[in-house]
Amino acid sequence: EIGLTQSPATLSLSPGERATLSCRASQSVFTYLAWYQQKPGQAPRLVIYDTFNRATGIPARFSGSGSGTDFTLTISSLEPEDSAVYYCQHRSNWAFGGGTKVEIK
Amino acid sequence: QVQLVQSGAEVKKPGASVKVSCKASGYTFTGHYVHWVRQAPGQGLEWLGRINANSGGTNYAQRFQGRVIMTRDTSISTAYMEINSLTSDDTAVYYCAREAKYSSASDYWGQGSLVTVSS
Repeated sequence: EIGLTQSPATLSLSPGERATLSCRASQSVFTYLAWYQQKPGQAPRLVIYDTFNRATGIPARFSGSGSGTDFTLTISSLEPEDSAVYYCQHRSNWAFGGGTKVEIK
Repeated sequence: QVQLVQSGAEVKKPGASVKVSCKASGYTFTGHYVHWVRQAPGQGLEWLGRINANSGGTNYAQRFQGRVIMTRDTSISTAYMEINSLTSDDTAVYYCAREAKYSSASDYWGQGSLVTVSS
């Protein structure tokens, strides 16, 4: 089974800074990778699908990149409302990574 | 608008079963898969499986094979997830989610159903 490892576990940054979240797969998942945002007490929300594509309503400051085994979610200029846990997921067995918590200072 | 509305919270004893429902509206129910994901308190997301709402075909995560059953009733646009032989480790919020047509990602989610397993 393909596993996903996310890093770092926690990212603490100031508003306006750039956030770079990593997701590494144990074997190639091609470009079938999605990212979700989850705020406390809420259901997850789709942010990026198929590595690069922003979901409906997601601001342009969110972008995804990568292929094969290494993927990145970038938030170009953090806003306070971006504080959340972010999970990656791949389609091979729909497993999730362990999550990265983004904290806004 | 697309909505997935789940059944309410449940409290079950160890060894019992629980069945969670997910009623879809705002789209053609049989045109999409429905996924089930759970989240234990303070933990990450765990994928349980998915059901083809048209054919009823299922894919389950390996660790839940034989313990989770996913079904659907197309006449009322509702998907169900039943898990049996409950233990305290099954205490979690259970989510249903619609698989997007354009991708295998889940684009709409239910509000979650808390299942508590306690003696």
